[in-house]
Amino acid sequence: QQQVKQSPQSLIVQKGGISIINCAYENTAFDYFPWYQQFPGKGPALLIAIRPDVSEKKEGRFTISFNKSAKQFSLHIMDSQPGDSATYFCAASKSGGSNYKLTFGKGTLLTVNP
Amino acid sequence: GAVVSQHPSWVICKSGTSVKIECRSLDFQATTMFWYRQFPKQSLMLMATSNEGSKATYEQGVEKDKFLINHASLTLSTLTVTSAHPEDSSFYICSALLEWDRKNQPQHFGDGTRLSIL
Repeated sequence: QQQVKQSPQSLIVQKGGISIINCAYENTAFDYFPWYQQFPGKGPALLIAIRPDVSEKKEGRFTISFNKSAKQFSLHIMDSQPGDSATYFCAASKSGGSNYKLTFGKGTLLTVNP
Repeated sequence: GAVVSQHPSWVICKSGTSVKIECRSLDFQATTMFWYRQFPKQSLMLMATSNEGSKATYEQGVEKDKFLINHASLTLSTLTVTSAHPEDSSFYICSALLEWDRKNQPQHFGDGTRLSIL
């Protein structure tokens, strides 16, 4: 059972454009939704995260939009740059007790053309 | 801040040997660390949750006698792949949960260890 579905699998964007990656989750107990960026041969780096009590969070060029009723959240990368070319993973987890385990989406390979 | 160091970054060894991978939180305490496995062009698969001072919790299908986890201090967890075989070749990544910011649940990852078994 895939609890976090991510799309698209790959994305090609021109420099300066907007990159949009979408995720949908099933478990309504999830209360933490981070996005990670991973370059080849490296571990994932935390980009931005949101909790379900807000609908949007912005940090620099990165924005998370969150729709609790639809159980969906998305990452928007404004003014995309070639250096943003990487694999992006959405994830979800729930707090409390022995939880905090992250459930990852399958990833999106973003290519930003110069 | 929130740096997680993983060592070694790459290891090649013969089939049948055991390999130990270290995961250290450099500037924060982490009572909880996680170990993941990642195959090429795939997502991260959680193998186990490592808790300081107690036994690790393994995900379904992960052999605990094959992948030994020890979390002896608040800044160090180790994963030992015992009697490694070619099918164990993969990218192993650890992460640590920031203890002081636990309620916000941020996990910070190491740079991974590429394990190649000949």
